Amino acid sequence: DIQMTQSPSSVSASVGDRVTITCRASQGISSWLAWYQQKPGKAPKLLIYAASSLQSGVPSRFSGSGSGTDFTLTISSLQPEDFATYYCQQANSLPPTFGGGTKVEIK
Amino acid sequence: EVQLVESGGGLIQPGGSLRLSCAASGFSVSSNYMNWVRQAPGKGLEWISLIYSGGNTYYADSVKGRFTFSRDNSKDTLYLQMNSLRAEDTAVYYCARRGDGGRAMDVWGKGTTVTVSS
Repeated sequence: DIQMTQSPSSVSASVGDRVTITCRASQGISSWLAWYQQKPGKAPKLLIYAASSLQSGVPSRFSGSGSGTDFTLTISSLQPEDFATYYCQQANSLPPTFGGGTKVEIK
Repeated sequence: EVQLVESGGGLIQPGGSLRLSCAASGFSVSSNYMNWVRQAPGKGLEWISLIYSGGNTYYADSVKGRFTFSRDNSKDTLYLQMNSLRAEDTAVYYCARRGDGGRAMDVWGKGTTVTVSS
């Protein structure tokens, strides 16, 4: 199975800050990577697919980059509604695997 | 509106069985790859099963041989039959559609909670 490692596991930031989350795959996954946002008690929500494609309806302050083994999710200007946990997921091969999550907290 | 609604969760004793359902609206389950993903209390997301549009199924090692993923195309409903349940199966269970873009899961249900405890 492909292991997905996210860092940091948590980050404290203020509204307006630029936040970057990284995700590393244990082997190359081309661009088969997705990012999800999850708020407490809610289902995950797809933000980014194919490493850098913005899902319809997702604000443009979210962006993704990377290919191969190293990927990044960037929130360009953190908004109050962005405080949540973020997960990466590889879709290159079965089983799909998720990173451990990054909790974005209010500073 | 494209939507998934899970049901069937509850409290079950270890060793027991439970069947979860996931009703789709706004699209056909038979034309899509569909997944079950679970989340144990306070933990991350764990993929557990996939059914292809052609009907083939795949399972995580943690549930293989105990869980069965099926669907009723006429009802646009998915099922997860869970047998020999263990305490570590306690989780919120989500069904999710794999979208056309990048193989990502683009539509999720709100989840149903399964608690395995005596």
